[in-house]
Amino acid sequence: SQTIHQWPATLVQPVGSPLSLECTVEGTSNPNLYWYRQAAGRGLQLLFYSVGIGQISSEVPQNLSASRPQDRQFILSSKKLLLSDSGFYLCTGGRSYEQYFGPGTRLTVT
Amino acid sequence: SQQGEEDPQALSIQEGENATMNCSYKTSINNLQWYRQNSGRGLVHLILIRSNEREKHSGRLRVTLDTSKKSSSLLITASRAADTASYFCATYNNNDMRFGAGTRLTVKP
Repeated sequence: SQTIHQWPATLVQPVGSPLSLECTVEGTSNPNLYWYRQAAGRGLQLLFYSVGIGQISSEVPQNLSASRPQDRQFILSSKKLLLSDSGFYLCTGGRSYEQYFGPGTRLTVT
Repeated sequence: SQQGEEDPQALSIQEGENATMNCSYKTSINNLQWYRQNSGRGLVHLILIRSNEREKHSGRLRVTLDTSKKSSSLLITASRAADTASYFCATYNNNDMRFGAGTRLTVKP
């Protein structure tokens, strides 16, 4: 079965600091991978998706970036965090309609 | 772009009432799924309906799919306070899955 690992679970970072969230997949190869963000009290917003190594599509303009250096690794980054970057970040992925979910990272930018 | 769009964005009802949430999408799909997310937690899969199905039931949940209108609805009957959560539809097509922004359901005891 597939498993998605995501860390850290919680993170508190000051404004202007860098960010790196990592998502890794077990149990499948060449999955489609997605980063979502959920701001407090709002729905999921698709940030990035990737269909393969080095292939990243961005859904919304922002100060975040994503990379996929390996088939099962998806990284969300920022050079300088903004207060508005606070939220719940969720990595999902899979190769079929059985999509799998990471546990999420709750980011608070102070 | 984001595929599914749920409406309403927020819904507040009394315990015992029925809750109906709708999802519209733009492209063809293989199947459509509904998920629930309790506050601050991960998504939980509720039900999947295939593109050749029109209606599906699971306990107090009823899902319909109209591919001609590219829309789906989720009905929760006899709602309970524990049903309070955000509900998301997700479309799946050719190994690509997209979520909508969700409907926030509040069931008041």
